[in-house]
Amino acid sequence: GQQLNQSPQSMFIQEGEDVSMNCTSSSIFNTWLWYKQDPGEGPVLLIALYKAGELTSNGRLTAQFGITRKDSFLNISASIPSDVGIYFCAGSDNYGQNFVFGPGTRLSVLP
Amino acid sequence: DGGITQSPKYLFRKEGQNVTLSCEQNLNHDAMYWYRQDPGQGLRLIYYSQIVNDFQKGDIAEGYSVSREKKESFPLTVTSAQKNPTAFYLCASSDRNQPQHFGDGTRLSIL
Repeated sequence: GQQLNQSPQSMFIQEGEDVSMNCTSSSIFNTWLWYKQDPGEGPVLLIALYKAGELTSNGRLTAQFGITRKDSFLNISASIPSDVGIYFCAGSDNYGQNFVFGPGTRLSVLP
Repeated sequence: DGGITQSPKYLFRKEGQNVTLSCEQNLNHDAMYWYRQDPGQGLRLIYYSQIVNDFQKGDIAEGYSVSREKKESFPLTVTSAQKNPTAFYLCASSDRNQPQHFGDGTRLSIL
């Protein structure tokens, strides 16, 4: 079946630093989603992308739908302690009927 | 308050028993989903339902069963045939072909 890869698997950064992570697929997707999961809770939708090349922001978060349609990127600017969590990407090749999820990037923010 | 409610938060099962996890949504979403999350891994789709009285198997349906008798409810039964049921179970719902929104999960453990 389809699989998504996320990198890095985990990262430790200093408070105030910018963060970049990405998600790649071997097949083409037409929808990309980014979620954040706090411990013991369900994922919360951060950003949805629907068009190749699209760049969308949500506060300090910015995500891009890669031109090849096989990847997506998430950037977090000026990280703060509450950014700690697991960030999941999800992709769909049938316009949102079903999504496949990546394994996640675990972010730790050091004070 | 609109949202997705999963209950219970924690559930313990003896070997050989069936257990049912509850998922209720008041978002008037047509589609509902069940995922399984294991430590350090992404979400794997168990079952999904696009409409009342209809549901489809996901990638890991063996040992699980569902029903969709009402639009707002999508209970998941973990049967004794599921040999490794210990996991975090997440329910989600969405409008057709829209991003999924998640509940806060149920953590199932085997005694």
